[in-house]
Amino acid sequence: DGGITQSPKYLFRKEGQNVTLSCEQNLNHDAMYWYRQDPGQGLRLIYYSQIVNDFQKGDIAEGYSVSREKKESFPLTVTSAQKNPTAFYLCASSNYRQGASGELFFGEGSRLTVL
Amino acid sequence: DQQVKQNSPSLSVQEGRISILNCDYTNSMFDYFLWYKKYPAEGPTFLISISSIKDKNEDGRFTVFLNKSAKHLSLHIVPSQPGDSAVYFCAASASSGGSEKLVFGKGTKLTVNP
Repeated sequence: DGGITQSPKYLFRKEGQNVTLSCEQNLNHDAMYWYRQDPGQGLRLIYYSQIVNDFQKGDIAEGYSVSREKKESFPLTVTSAQKNPTAFYLCASSNYRQGASGELFFGEGSRLTVL
Repeated sequence: DQQVKQNSPSLSVQEGRISILNCDYTNSMFDYFLWYKKYPAEGPTFLISISSIKDKNEDGRFTVFLNKSAKHLSLHIVPSQPGDSAVYFCAASASSGGSEKLVFGKGTKLTVNP
C-alpha cells in the first residue's frame, strides 16, 4: 500500500530537548513538506523539499531543522529554540511540477507535547 | 493577513440535508482551489478541487462552486451523512507557485446530526 508514514504518533518532550519526527513515503513523490497545525488554525508550512539534498524554509521555519538525504525520507527536528513546540505536525508529499500546484498527500500526523 | 478565509468555525446540519461550507480569498493570483477533509488525530485527505477556468466541479455528493468575481468558493455536500462530520479546509494557490505555495484556511468543523 502506498502512503506516508509518520512516527511517532504521540511524543512528549521536556523543555530544552530536541526531538526528531520521522516521515517516510513510498509514493515516489519528489516533493515533501512539513506543516504545523494549532487548534483553530490552518496548516502552516514549516519546511519543504522539492528534490533530494535540497530543502527550503516555509513560513514558520524558526526553531526547526530538516534533512533530505533520501527521496523517501524527510525527518523534522524540533529544536529547543522553538518557543512553542506543542502542536500537531503533518508531513505531506506531492508530485512536484514546476509552476503547478498538485494535490498534497498527508500522513496521519504526530502530536508533540512539551512538558 | 489571511489570504484564505473560512469565516464559519463550525456548522451543524441534519443528516440528509445540504451542507454548505464557504471560503473567501483575497489574492487575485489564486487560480487553483482545493478542499481537504480532516478527522481528529488524522492527516487531511484531499476531497475535491477546482481550477479557475471552471465555475463548478462535481464528484458524487460533493460539488465545489467558484465565483471568481466575488473571490468566493463553496463546497456543497448533498445529502449530508454523519460520516461527513470532520473539519474541512479550503486551500488555494497560484499556478506559478507550486504545491509549497498552497495557502490554507483555518477550517470549518462540520457536524452532521443523525
